[in-house]
Amino acid sequence: EVQLVQSGAEVKKPGESLRISCSASGFTFPKYWIGWIRHTPGKGLEWMAIMYPDDSDIRYSPSFQGQVTISADNANSTAYLQWTNLKTSDTAMYYCARSMGYCGVDNCVGYFDLWGRGTLVTVSS
Amino acid sequence: DIQMTQSPSTLSASVGDRVTITCRASQTISDWLAWYQQKPGKAPKVLIYKASKLESGTPPRFSGSGSGTEFMLTISSLQPDDFATYYCQQYSSFWTFGQGTTVDIK
Repeated sequence: EVQLVQSGAEVKKPGESLRISCSASGFTFPKYWIGWIRHTPGKGLEWMAIMYPDDSDIRYSPSFQGQVTISADNANSTAYLQWTNLKTSDTAMYYCARSMGYCGVDNCVGYFDLWGRGTLVTVSS
Repeated sequence: DIQMTQSPSTLSASVGDRVTITCRASQTISDWLAWYQQKPGKAPKVLIYKASKLESGTPPRFSGSGSGTEFMLTISSLQPDDFATYYCQQYSSFWTFGQGTTVDIK
């Protein structure tokens, strides 16, 4: 079955580190752009970062550059999103998704045809 | 950044109704627009891409139209399974989403 399976909900304190995962099955993981999207009640859906696992090409939204790190493990068909210094404002649902497009030098195009079910991250003291 | 404005934010309708949701882009995006449906606790699901092309598995009661900056999603006859939240998304330049339209039972 073609799917993205995300890791479970997390509860963390401000300042802590976190890595969430997105495991792919049913398709050739390295050959698709895999992105992360944040969903909050206040700002809605926002794309954060996207990666092409085959050559590790990475793009970050300016809003999230320096705040998170995207990575991938091709051997395990898994993408990751990592924080080193969580803030209460990072509380959100995070989705991974597969893009049916590509990224050029200064732009990315393509809709997301496959989504994970989301990982809820709660950051609270 | 390209901004996407959806309206209405909430829509109350009955089974069998014709429903239309509008999405406006802050600058022209040609037809690089997708529509997603999301139900509580579930992942978003793409219904339409390239403004009017139905993703495989999307029922034909869904249709999309528009180009440039104005787009519409229409459900010709609302079914019980269609009560959900709908998002538009531009993918002309990276990605931005509309704020969503919740279709609930009237």
